[in-house]
Amino acid sequence: DTGVSQDPRHKITKRGQNVTFRCDPISEHNRLYWYRQTLGQGPEFLTYFQNEAQLEKSRLLSDRFSAERPKGSFSTLEIQRTEQGDSAMYLCASSPYGTEQETQYFGPGTRLLVL
Amino acid sequence: KQEVTQIPAALSVPEGENLVLNCSFTDSAIYNLQWFRQDPGKGLTSLLLIQSSQREQTSGRLNASLDKSSGRSTLYIAASQPGDSATYLCAVIVGTGGFKTIFGAGTRLFVKA
Repeated sequence: DTGVSQDPRHKITKRGQNVTFRCDPISEHNRLYWYRQTLGQGPEFLTYFQNEAQLEKSRLLSDRFSAERPKGSFSTLEIQRTEQGDSAMYLCASSPYGTEQETQYFGPGTRLLVL
Repeated sequence: KQEVTQIPAALSVPEGENLVLNCSFTDSAIYNLQWFRQDPGKGLTSLLLIQSSQREQTSGRLNASLDKSSGRSTLYIAASQPGDSATYLCAVIVGTGGFKTIFGAGTRLFVKA
């Protein structure tokens, strides 16, 4: 078990470009979560998946943000027409069985800088 | 709307001290509460998870308590070490049907050798 992995670890882009991040959860974990974290703040919940189904989306997830988990394994988070305010650490987490009683295991994050 | 507050925002202590980090939440309808550790520029590591029906959990030098009725949790760290220096985050899981995790802003701890 290699833990949750995220790719890329760092991304610098120009305002208006699209970016896509990937998260590979721990093998066979049913739930996968995305968060955004800005400097000095705790992570903010964006969305989560139970297998391939997206069950909850935060109002923070504007129309420019989309997340997928097509086969219930890895997930992608895409940001279209990036803005400077999108600069943040994007964290992915997974948990095994799909209940509210479980520990979430976090990846190392993707740090996005929008110039 | 659930809000999670952590006090203090930052803490500096000499090595060997016992210390308490505080977390409060505004809505007692939670599934569970977790404490995490985050090192600079890194992801989060789960320390302790307390189910809504539990009062406390212990792991090594760490002890976390939960009082749902008052909306409070504390993380007690015994005999602090420089390696404990990190940001400690409290999070609650809330929701019906779907659910979401709500984090506090964290307590930045520095343990001086």
